[in-house]
Amino acid sequence: GQSLEQPSEVTAVEGAIVQINCTYQTSGFYGLSWYQQHDGGAPTFLSYNALDGLEETGRFSSFLSRSDSYGYLLLQELQMKDSASYFCAVRRSGNTPLVFGKGTRLSVIA
Amino acid sequence: NAGVTQTPKFRVLKTGQSMTLLCAQDMNHEYMYWYRQDPGMGLRLIHYSVGEGTTAKGEVPDGYNVSRLKKQNFLLGLESAAPSQTSVYFCASSEQGGNSPLHFGNGTRLTVT
Repeated sequence: GQSLEQPSEVTAVEGAIVQINCTYQTSGFYGLSWYQQHDGGAPTFLSYNALDGLEETGRFSSFLSRSDSYGYLLLQELQMKDSASYFCAVRRSGNTPLVFGKGTRLSVIA
Repeated sequence: NAGVTQTPKFRVLKTGQSMTLLCAQDMNHEYMYWYRQDPGMGLRLIHYSVGEGTTAKGEVPDGYNVSRLKKQNFLLGLESAAPSQTSVYFCASSEQGGNSPLHFGNGTRLTVT
């Protein structure tokens, strides 16, 4: 089976940096993905890591350590619009579906 | 280019009633998925399809059926609705498996009384 653990809630100040961690247990691993979901909206794709290291996309970065079964999403220069839920997700193999964590609700405060 | 379209957006059913949720994508994606989202539970996979005419069970398939008769459409059926099926249902599609990102519809909010 597969399981993912991420904090349920995180609060951070506007302009600051926040890190959302994700640990996973899976038989087979084909990459770690991150999705963002605003209240009442649909999840949207943020990033994907197949190999160890850091991937940067603007203010967002995602990190993966396959040996530690661990990854994180880093959000810099936080803005109020970043308040949302963030989900990590893994695939067991290339043709199996994504399994999502329970999500981390990020609240950005002034 | 509409992406992934779900209908209806909202629905209220009585216990025992049946209904079909419709999902259509115009991106020529091979893979399609149905997830349900409940508070504190994240997104749980109900059924998925890796191509026209194929379907497979996900984590929580009981009480649901699906069909993928055409590549662009993925239907989710509830034969006899139960209050436990009150949820928000999301359809998604992806070009393939692997690192292809999922594109989600806007969801269907279903209440079963």
